[in-house]
Amino acid sequence: QQNVQQSPESLIVPEGARTSLNCTFSDSASQYFWWYRQHSGKAPKALMSIFSNGEKEEGRFTIHLNKASLHFSLHIRDSQPSDSALYLCAVSINYAQGLTFGLGTRVSVFP
Amino acid sequence: NAGVIQTPRHKVTGKGQEATLWCEPISGHSAVFWYRQTIVQGLEFLTYFRNQAPIDDSGMPKERFSAQMPNQSHSTLKIQSTQPQDSAVYLCASSLDLGSAETLYFGSGTRLTVL
Repeated sequence: QQNVQQSPESLIVPEGARTSLNCTFSDSASQYFWWYRQHSGKAPKALMSIFSNGEKEEGRFTIHLNKASLHFSLHIRDSQPSDSALYLCAVSINYAQGLTFGLGTRVSVFP
Repeated sequence: NAGVIQTPRHKVTGKGQEATLWCEPISGHSAVFWYRQTIVQGLEFLTYFRNQAPIDDSGMPKERFSAQMPNQSHSTLKIQSTQPQDSAVYLCASSLDLGSAETLYFGSGTRLTVL
């Protein structure tokens, strides 16, 4: 049974700062790694994904994946108040399974 | 494209009553997923369909929960004899193809409250 843990539980950062979120998973056979973002009262929305070890950058967002350490992370550069949301990491072992989500990290960016 | 549509947005039932939740996936999407979200448990996988066929229901509480997809344009999640612990936001998602390499598009959810 896949176990996905996120840290920290919550984070308060000033506008313009770098935000770093962590996700660990338990099954070394995991292949697909996602970050979703959920604004208050809204549906979760896919932010980024990574399927191989290393780093991937899209705009202000960067994912790092280290499968050997069972860890991946999301970094947000120049954080904006609009980035305030619940960030959910998700993992899957193979293409045919549903995603297993972590409990989330709640990020608050203050101006 | 209206996205994934879920109805009703809110549902209140008394303990022991039945609740039926509806989901209309994005047109052309062949995979439909049901999740349940609570503060304590987070987003829990319940079940999913591929081309209307049930593929994995490993997350479904067996006794009172059932899901169907009678056609490609809608899926239902039925909870019989609802209990207070069933209170949650039930989220439906669809994707273009099967599985985790494709982006899941979530609906806004149905908030179920069992009194």
